[in-house]
Order: sequence, then C-alpha cells, then structure tokens
Amino acid sequence: QKEVEQNSGPLSVPEGAIASLNCTYSDRGSQSFFWYRQYSGKSPELIMFIYSNGDKEDGRFTAQLNKASQYVSLLIRDSQPSDSATYLCASRMDSSYKLIFGSGTRLLVRP
Amino acid sequence: AAGVIQSPRHLIKEKRETATLKCYPIPRHDTVYWYQQGPGQDPQFLISFYEKMQSDKGSIPDRFSAQQFSDYHSELNMSSLELGDSALYFCASSRDSDTQYFGPGTRLTVL
Repeated sequence: QKEVEQNSGPLSVPEGAIASLNCTYSDRGSQSFFWYRQYSGKSPELIMFIYSNGDKEDGRFTAQLNKASQYVSLLIRDSQPSDSATYLCASRMDSSYKLIFGSGTRLLVRP
Repeated sequence: AAGVIQSPRHLIKEKRETATLKCYPIPRHDTVYWYQQGPGQDPQFLISFYEKMQSDKGSIPDRFSAQQFSDYHSELNMSSLELGDSALYFCASSRDSDTQYFGPGTRLTVL
C-alpha cells in the first residue's frame, strides 16, 4: 500500500463544472500537503499547499484537509480544458525534507 | 520570476556509461532535492541538500552520488548506467524546508 493514495482516474468533467480530486494518506506523522499539476512530459507545478485542518482557497482552487480522517482534497471550480492534466497529491513530515507522492489522478475537462 | 534551471534537458547514454545532471536553484533558495520519475510513475525522492550538507536520503542507488556546491547548485552523478535508469530526473528547490518548486527536468535515455 502506498503512503499516499489517489484514484488514477481519468476523472472526466464538462467545462465549467467543479472537479473534485481526493487523496488519502496513511502516516499520521504527515504534517504538510501539496497539490501539484503535471502535464505529460513536463515538471510538477505547484497548485496549492495546506498545513491546517479546514479549507484553503486560492482563486478557482480550494484545498481541504481533514487530519482525523487522513484525507486531502482539491476542488477546481469552473474547470477549463487547460486544467486537463495529472494532479499529484504529496505529503511531507516535519522531520523530513522529502515529498511523498501519490500516483496522481488524471483529470479530463471536456469542452 | 526566476525558476529552477536544469541541464542538460535531454541526455542519451549507453549502458555502463556515466552521466552528470546539473541543477541551479531559484535565487536565495538553499535547499535542493532530486527526484526520479519513471514512465507512468510518480516522482520518487532520491536525495536532498540543505546548506551544502545532505539533509535527507531516499531510494538513491549506490551507483548515484550527489552534492551541493558553495553557490548552491547541485550535481547528480550517475555511474554504471542501466536501462532501468531511463527516466525524467527533476530537481526542486526551496528556501529552508519550505515549499518545493520543480525544475523542467532532464530526460535520461539509456540505450
């Protein structure tokens, strides 16, 4: 079992809809969580990070963290075809520098 | 804004050859990370350096070594290359152990 689990998808949503991406983690020592977007053959691009329980909003993106349930999510409002990519969830413990990635969820936004 | 610079962007080597990948972090970033991403895989942490000292170590083969220099750039040296080393190699940088920003990557092909 991977430390960070994601549904591989693809998750298909129509343009303008809300895309909901989910991630669970197994190590309760994980303190920080990151969402990266990766286009095929390109590098991961930071979308959002979250450290505290609750919601964090940045433009069309909202990250949600529930440490009791060990659950992280990313909502993308008003999805655009350009949002079509693989979304990687990553965790990090305070005692470590490394990011532990999930396998990623492929998002497809249909025009 | 300045980003992480990696060179070369593409590299083709024969089995048993050596390769050196270079990474130039974002200005004023003092921490550098190396990740390996195989085809269809998520990024796997190899090694990191903070203020020129190794700060964390992941699944880096003994055939690989890395260091961070006084100007904070880093080099990943890979010897006795194997077919399975073919992958995208990403460098990321951060200020202290804060949010990591990824470079464009080096695509290594071992023939």
